[in-house]
Amino acid sequence: AQKVTQAQTEISVVEKEDVTLDCVYETRDTTYYLFWYKQPPSGELVFLIRRNSFDEQNEISGRYSWNFQKSTSSFNFTITASQVVDSAVYFCALSGWNTGNQFYFGTGTSLTVIP
Amino acid sequence: DTGVSQDPRHKITKRGQNVTFRCDPISEHNRLYWYRQTLGQGPEFLTYFQNEAQLEKSRLLSDRFSAERPKGSFSTLEIQRTEQGDSAMYLCASSFGDFLGGELFFGEGSRLTVL
Repeated sequence: AQKVTQAQTEISVVEKEDVTLDCVYETRDTTYYLFWYKQPPSGELVFLIRRNSFDEQNEISGRYSWNFQKSTSSFNFTITASQVVDSAVYFCALSGWNTGNQFYFGTGTSLTVIP
Repeated sequence: DTGVSQDPRHKITKRGQNVTFRCDPISEHNRLYWYRQTLGQGPEFLTYFQNEAQLEKSRLLSDRFSAERPKGSFSTLEIQRTEQGDSAMYLCASSFGDFLGGELFFGEGSRLTVL
């Protein structure tokens, strides 16, 4: 079975603080892909990053960084020096080799950055 | 390059009526997906097309739901005899290629309210 768990429902931080969004996944596939999407108040889901199961290198893109650890089945997302524009719902998603083309999304973490 | 567009953005209907949503994917994208999102939840997979062929359907998709992509371009999602439980945001997404892990590009969604 494929499952994505985002235990943090809502997070509030003050602007310029760092924040980490947690994502834990379950899959029986050995080949799979993990994603993060951002859904701002306007509603359109925006792709942020993709990692495949064979690449555990952490990645940094500007203020965003991702920590992929297969040993703990986690793919966490950190925003450094948060800004008000980061306020959104963030979804972690999983696509597995044996699940065809279905992407499994977590329930999302609503991040509010307070000015 | 225009993104994924969906129409209508909002639909209010009475229980028992039929509704149809349209999705125009990014022009070169051969893969098209429909997802449903309810408040506080992540998107749930409904169905997937590769070109004009509908290759996967979720078990969530009852017989009242039908989707088409007649020429491998735009797609329609029809819900017959709507029920209040059908109230949700219906999201269309597209991607390109045969690569399983290709990121999805989402439209802004069509919000359905069934009274």
